[in-house]
This record gives sequence, structure tokens and C-alpha cells, in this order.
Amino acid sequence: NAGVMQNPRHLVRRRGQEARLRCSPMKGHSHVYWYRQLPEEGLKFMVYLQKENIIDESGMPKERFSAEFPKEGPSILRIQQVVRGDSAAYFCASSPFAGNEQFFGPGTRLTVL
Amino acid sequence: DQQVKQNSPSLSVQEGRISILNCDYTNSMFDYFLWYKKYPAEGPTFLISISSIKDKNEDGRFTVFLNKSAKHLSLHIVPSQPGDSAVYFCAAFNFGNEKLTFGTGTRLTIIP
Repeated sequence: NAGVMQNPRHLVRRRGQEARLRCSPMKGHSHVYWYRQLPEEGLKFMVYLQKENIIDESGMPKERFSAEFPKEGPSILRIQQVVRGDSAAYFCASSPFAGNEQFFGPGTRLTVL
Repeated sequence: DQQVKQNSPSLSVQEGRISILNCDYTNSMFDYFLWYKKYPAEGPTFLISISSIKDKNEDGRFTVFLNKSAKHLSLHIVPSQPGDSAVYFCAAFNFGNEKLTFGTGTRLTIIP
């Protein structure tokens, strides 16, 4: 049973470009969470999704950030018009149902030049 | 507003001795607490958890203690091994609000 997969592992973008981060949850997991870790900080919750639904996006910046988890395919975290402050490690986690341990992927390290 | 706090950014412990990592929280609504271990360039790995209705949970070398009145939990690792060197994150959530709230982490270094 493969773990949570994220790609790309490293992503470099220039200011103003778009970044797309992908997350494939563990088999059988329908709950996906995105977290961001800024340098020297802990992980901060961004958004919680179930298939085709956003359940909680209270941690998402109001502009430029969006997330989806379509019926088929991976969950996507999209950052439009990236700025230097978006440089961080973005982690995806999944769980089989709410209230269970969350299993994390290896993360995508985004660098904005 | 940091609801989960790990006040020690780093800790060094001799191999074979006990490692004690501490975590404090402010939100009395948390139902469940977890410890994650993280190596560089990898995602956090779940280690051990405890429900708010318990005060202790043990799994091999790892034991988590919860003191609800003090809003404090700790992770004990005994005996400590070189492979335990990593960053340890304390996390919490309450049922019905499934997001994990993480502390800032403690870097544990085991000295051979």
C-alpha cells in the first residue's frame, strides 16, 4: 500500500508565475489536508477536503490560493502569481475518515525566485 | 495565537538515556493529541497519540503523558537511540474540527 504521494518534490517558480502542487492520498483515504511549513516554523493548517468538497479552508490565504480534490485524480493546491513569501514546504496528509491519524506525504518544497 | 507550544527548540541527550519532550496547549477543547517525528526533507511520521480521556499511552520505547489540568503533555523515549535524532512535533485536534494544530517542534539530538 503506497503512502501519500506528492509531486513535484521541488518546484522553482519566478514571481508572478503559477504553482501547482499535487497530492495523491493513500488508497482508501478520502480525506485530504494541506499544511504549509515556513522556515523555522511548525506546520500550519491550510485546507481540509473530501472528494469534490472543501470542508474547512480557514487556513488558506484569501487571495491567490485555491485547492480542489476532484472525483478522479489527485488533490491540487494552486498558487497564482506567486511571491517570495510563498516559499515554503507544502505537506499533504490523508486519512480514511475524520478523527483518525493523518498520514503525511514527503512534501513539495516551493522556491520563488 | 499559538495554541500548541513547544518551548524547547532543541534538546541533546546521551544515547541510552531518557529523552523527554514537552508540549503545552491553551485550548481546553482539544480531544486528541499526537506526536510526529520528522527527518529533513521528509514528511512528518506519526509516532504515538493519546485521547484526552487518558493520562498515559505507551508503545514500546515511547510513552506519552497527558496532564489535562496543567494543559501539558510530554513524550518520553527510553532508551534513546541515534535513530531518534529528528524534529518532534506535538499536534492536537478536536473532533468536529479535523485540522491538526502543530507546535513549532523540538530538534532532538542523540549523542552516541
